[in-house]
Amino acid sequence: LAKTTQPISMDSYEGQEVNITCSHNNIATNDYITWYQQFPSQGPRFIIQGYKTKVTNEVASLFIPADRKSSTLSLPRVSLSDTAVYYCLVDDNYGQNFVFGPGTRLSVLP
Amino acid sequence: SQTIHQWPATLVQPVGSPLSLECTVEGTSNPNLYWYRQAAGRGLQLLFYSVGIGQISSEVPQNLSASRPQDRQFILSSKKLLLSDSGFYLCAWSLVATTGDTQYFGPGTRLTVL
Repeated sequence: LAKTTQPISMDSYEGQEVNITCSHNNIATNDYITWYQQFPSQGPRFIIQGYKTKVTNEVASLFIPADRKSSTLSLPRVSLSDTAVYYCLVDDNYGQNFVFGPGTRLSVLP
Repeated sequence: SQTIHQWPATLVQPVGSPLSLECTVEGTSNPNLYWYRQAAGRGLQLLFYSVGIGQISSEVPQNLSASRPQDRQFILSSKKLLLSDSGFYLCAWSLVATTGDTQYFGPGTRLTVL
């Protein structure tokens, strides 16, 4: 079961690009990398998922180097509403190995 | 489209009282179902998961139990609540896929045990 390590907190200002890096040194061949966003008193919400290289959607980009031992979530031009906790998960496709760490608390300042 | 419901939204219970939280999923069949607990300011702790009716796996020993009487219904129960059971309880579902699994979470139940 791959463990992940993320910074506990980050601060940014509106309009800036934010990059949150997650370390997963013992990621397995079958594991995918998924990022979730959680607002207070709500359940986590899926942001993006990838296996290798770069993935981009309307919300974020996910950069995964060739060794896959880390990944970086990139949020372009953050706004105050992006203030949330961001979780990095590494799991296989059997749905039985979800482990949510403490996540990264992102605070976007005006 | 798929939706997931949880109720109640908030609950205040005395120590030693029973508990029943319900979760239902609409718009999908044979989902994997999960119960998580989140203490204040902490990450999510997986309590139970189920891959089918009557199939429950427990991740953490505790005084809680789960049941799945129907394909899209997942129930979290306790016979006697403890103070330490307070927290934010989240139900989630996923479908096994050839790509990485993605979980979809319900709105949660905030439980306060007094």
